[in-house]
Amino acid sequence: AQKVTQAQTEISVVEKEDVTLDCVYETRDTTYYLFWYKQPPSGELVFLIRRNSFDEQNEISGRYSWNFQKSTSSFNFTITASQVVDSAVYFCALSEAGFQKLVFGTGTRLLVSP
Amino acid sequence: DAGVTQSPTHLIKTRGQQVTLRCSPKSGHDTVSWYQQALGQGPQFIFQYYEEEERQRGNFPDRFSGHQFPNYSSELNVNALLLGDSALYLCASSHMAERAYGYTFGSGTRLTVV
Repeated sequence: AQKVTQAQTEISVVEKEDVTLDCVYETRDTTYYLFWYKQPPSGELVFLIRRNSFDEQNEISGRYSWNFQKSTSSFNFTITASQVVDSAVYFCALSEAGFQKLVFGTGTRLLVSP
Repeated sequence: DAGVTQSPTHLIKTRGQQVTLRCSPKSGHDTVSWYQQALGQGPQFIFQYYEEEERQRGNFPDRFSGHQFPNYSSELNVNALLLGDSALYLCASSHMAERAYGYTFGSGTRLTVV
């Protein structure tokens, strides 16, 4: 069965601090995809990144970076020099081969104060 | 380029009533998925429609049904509403041939059952 665990319910930081959001996943498939989405108060889920199970290369996009480690079944997300606009709920999600559905974690609420 | 459009944005229903939610996918997308997001939880997959057929279904009772139209838009119907059906209902669209690249979500319909 597929499962995504985001153990951090809420994180509070002060602007310009770095913050890492943890994601641990479970799947029996060898081919799968991992995603991160951002959900601002408006409710819309905003796509941030997709990573397939065969590509463990870390990725950096501006202030965002992702660390994918198959050995620990983790796909962690780091925001460098956080900003107030980063405040939102962040979801990690898993999709197995066939991409029929996304299985989401329970989300991590990030609060960035000025 | 319009993204995923959902209507209505909010509605209030009474227990036992029926409700219909609507979704227009992003231009160029042919697949629509529906998710239920209870307060403080991650989205849960309800079902997915492609070529006007239900392709996959999550763990939801038959009270939840859907439809996809020839123009790829979709409806989610919930019969015999329960208080526990109160949630944010999210629609996500993708192109079947490119769904590995992620899904585009709408802002959702917030349903309150009283």
